[in-house]
Amino acid sequence: QKEVEQNSGPLSVPEGAIASLNCTYSDRGSQSFFWYRQYSGKSPELIMSIYSNGDKEDGRFTAQLNKASQYVSLLIRDSQPSDSATYLCAVNPTGGFKTIFGAGTRLFVKA
Amino acid sequence: EAGVTQFPSHSVIEKGQTVTLRCDPISGHDNLYWYRRVMGKEIKFLLHFVKESKQDESGMPNNRFLAERTGGTYSTLKVQPAELEDSGVYFCASSDRVEQFFGPGTRLTVL
Repeated sequence: QKEVEQNSGPLSVPEGAIASLNCTYSDRGSQSFFWYRQYSGKSPELIMSIYSNGDKEDGRFTAQLNKASQYVSLLIRDSQPSDSATYLCAVNPTGGFKTIFGAGTRLFVKA
Repeated sequence: EAGVTQFPSHSVIEKGQTVTLRCDPISGHDNLYWYRRVMGKEIKFLLHFVKESKQDESGMPNNRFLAERTGGTYSTLKVQPAELEDSGVYFCASSDRVEQFFGPGTRLTVL
């Protein structure tokens, strides 16, 4: 079992729709969770961080965390073609700053 | 404020040669991280510095890799001698707390 699992996609949504990206992790003691966006050939860009159960909203982005289910998600409302990228789920396992990345989900937003 | 910078952006070397990658973190960030992405795989943690000290080097693949951060500012990652499987993109990230900010990466090709 991978430490952080994501569906590789691609996930295709029409412009204006909600894109839902999901991630599960194996270390039950993990405390810090992140979503990065990576455009092709570019570096990962931090877009959301979440540390406690529930929802965290920032503009069009909402991160959701359920520690009991070891599940993190990212919702993108009013998706735009510029949101087309690979979205990386990342987790800091118990007791450290080391970050474990999922393989990423490719998102395509069709105009 | 300048972001994380890395040099060079690309490096092509032959098997058996030595390569040194450099990372300049965001000013004031005590934490510096090295990651690697091999083609088709997820981003993998290599090591973590706090100032000049190695906090966690559990991800370093073998003793051909040497990371330093003299003076607690910039860091170098030396690969000596390089092997074919070392090819990939090497990312550096820095943080002052938990959230990490990535540099543009160095694409290393070993022929």
